Amino acid sequence: QSVLTQPPSASGTPGQRVTISCSGSTSNIESNYVYWYQHLPGTAPKLLISRTNQRPSGVPDRFSGSKSGSSASLAISGLRSEDEADYYCASWDDSLNGLYVFGTGTKVTVL
Amino acid sequence: QLHLQESGPGLVKPSETLSLTCSVSGASIRRGSYFWGWIRQPPGKGLEWIGIISYTGITYYSPSLKSRLTISVDTSDIQFSLNLRSVTAADTAVYYCARQVAPRNAFDIWGEGTMVTVSS
Repeated sequence: QSVLTQPPSASGTPGQRVTISCSGSTSNIESNYVYWYQHLPGTAPKLLISRTNQRPSGVPDRFSGSKSGSSASLAISGLRSEDEADYYCASWDDSLNGLYVFGTGTKVTVL
Repeated sequence: QLHLQESGPGLVKPSETLSLTCSVSGASIRRGSYFWGWIRQPPGKGLEWIGIISYTGITYYSPSLKSRLTISVDTSDIQFSLNLRSVTAADTAVYYCARQVAPRNAFDIWGEGTMVTVSS
């Protein structure tokens, strides 16, 4: 059972801005970096945002990440059809002996 | 270009051991301070972290799987493995191997994944 909570779905029309939230706690998001992964069915997940707000090489600047306290957000601006995918937040959790936790996942649909 | 590829049986019987290997090409597991890990996705569900290992053998395991789990690095330096004992239907999932920059950091390179079904 994931300790990072995301809305199950989000949607928008092409060109719109979509924001996905990720709610955690003091032992994970508030104390550590947040990562975002894009996952298309049948493919390998792709790192989209590193260290809360950094885009790896090749990721369009339409994608941006932020954090406030124990919550984080991924924003997709200028939504495109190819952005239709599942999105997962993730973070290290300092509880127990340490573990990596993924969010519950959000399905983004381009209408 | 680093490439990861999972391999192993697609069908495992309940109570038996699930064994998977991740073959690393394009670089040695020994180079750098990376960790090498496993993540799974049960059908219709989200991603679940299983655990990671460094070349030197430092491991971090999911608390929910720790009692049944062993992750190891092959002495060939081009493979690492997952062994999950006493499996049940709940272990049915697509299993991914991936490289992690450091335990608290991102999984930046992923394999394509392999489906494992637990069934008699």
